[in-house]
Amino acid sequence: AQSVSQHNHHVILSEAASLELGCNYSYGGTVNLFWYVQYPGQHLQLLLKYFSGDPLVKGIKGFEAEFIKSKFSFNLRKPSVQWSDTAEYFCAVNARWGGSQGNLIFGKGTKLSVKP
Amino acid sequence: DSGVTQTPKHLITATGQRVTLRCSPRSGDLSVYWYQQSLDQGLQFLIQYYNGEERAKGNILERFSAQQFPDLHSELNLSSLELGDSALYFCASSVDPSRDRDYGYTFGSGTRLTVV
Repeated sequence: AQSVSQHNHHVILSEAASLELGCNYSYGGTVNLFWYVQYPGQHLQLLLKYFSGDPLVKGIKGFEAEFIKSKFSFNLRKPSVQWSDTAEYFCAVNARWGGSQGNLIFGKGTKLSVKP
Repeated sequence: DSGVTQTPKHLITATGQRVTLRCSPRSGDLSVYWYQQSLDQGLQFLIQYYNGEERAKGNILERFSAQQFPDLHSELNLSSLELGDSALYFCASSVDPSRDRDYGYTFGSGTRLTVV
């Protein structure tokens, strides 16, 4: 069965600091990878996704993620965080086989607090 | 507004009761997914429907059931409620998960269920 691990439960940064949130998945086959963000009191929104091609994926709001297949990782990065990035971030993966795709499996999330 | 509509936004009920949560998917999306989000378990996949039929089951309790109607809206029924069922219940929709192509889930704002 697939699983997703997010290493940090809570990250606290000052504005302008660089961010890297870790995400590892366990599945030996082909996967789609996602990062979602959940702002306080709101629904999950898609930040970025990887299906194939360039392993460096750029998303909205200056976020990017790099897929490293050999490490089963899909870490999220942002060079300079803002107070408005305070939110919870979820990594998710679904398996692909043949012409089908499995359901999205989420990590437990990383809460990011950015101090002004 | 993501296009996925969930009602009600908040629900407070007593133990032993039964509630129904409703979800209308984004226009054009055929598949509906239900997730439970709690502090200790994170985002847990419950069940998926595609075009009216159950497609996949996750960690859904026997006390819970769901269905998807011909107009594609879905309902999640939770019965014999326990304190531990208090959580945020999200609905998501997607176009056609069986096709190996670029797709993603669109989430609703969730229903916060409090069991007292």
